[in-house]
Amino acid sequence: QVQLVQSGAEVKKPGASVKVSCKASGYTFTNYGISWLRQAPGQGLEWMGWISTYNSYTNFAQKLQGRVTMTTDTSTSTAYMELRSLRSDDTAVYYCAREDDIVQLPSAIRLWGQGTLVTVSS
Amino acid sequence: DIVMTQSPDSLVVSLGERATINCKSSQSVLYSSKNKNYLAWYQQKPGQPPKLLIYWASTRESGVPDRFSASGSGTDFTLTISSLQAEDVAVYYCQQYHSTPRTFGQGTKVEIK
Repeated sequence: QVQLVQSGAEVKKPGASVKVSCKASGYTFTNYGISWLRQAPGQGLEWMGWISTYNSYTNFAQKLQGRVTMTTDTSTSTAYMELRSLRSDDTAVYYCAREDDIVQLPSAIRLWGQGTLVTVSS
Repeated sequence: DIVMTQSPDSLVVSLGERATINCKSSQSVLYSSKNKNYLAWYQQKPGQPPKLLIYWASTRESGVPDRFSASGSGTDFTLTISSLQAEDVAVYYCQQYHSTPRTFGQGTKVEIK
């Protein structure tokens, strides 16, 4: 079964970091990239960036540059997103999603993880 | 960044009636050389990730009911639900995948009258 399974909910204090995992199964991990998106409570969808699972090339949303890191572990077919210096407005559901090569093969997103709620609160 | 603007923000429609959602992009999302509009529509129900309905602006994803259709080119796009069903209550988003950062419309909430 083709799926992306994310790690569980997190509660963090302002200034801390969070690392969310996304484990892929049912397909060849390195054939597709992974995008990360987030959705604040009651709000719309925000694209955070994309990582190639083939060569680890990344493309980030400018507003998150310097605070976000995306990595992959091909041995376990898992992608990771780390967000540092958390603020209250980082409270959101974070999604991973499978996406073709963002430059060579732009595509719509067919496969999403279930989402991970990250709450930032003192 | 390409700004995506949807209208209306919310829509209340009777069962069996037509629902129409508009999406406008601040720049064209058409790649002329490929003759494709890099525009997708998603449906999101509470507590769930978005579900792809339409890609290339007008191609229905496999398994999506044919009451969902979409059209448009360049900067102006439309999603139509021809006969609203109870299970169509959701928030609908357009998204451009023409360039990075990928951007979404603000969403249109569809409810039953």
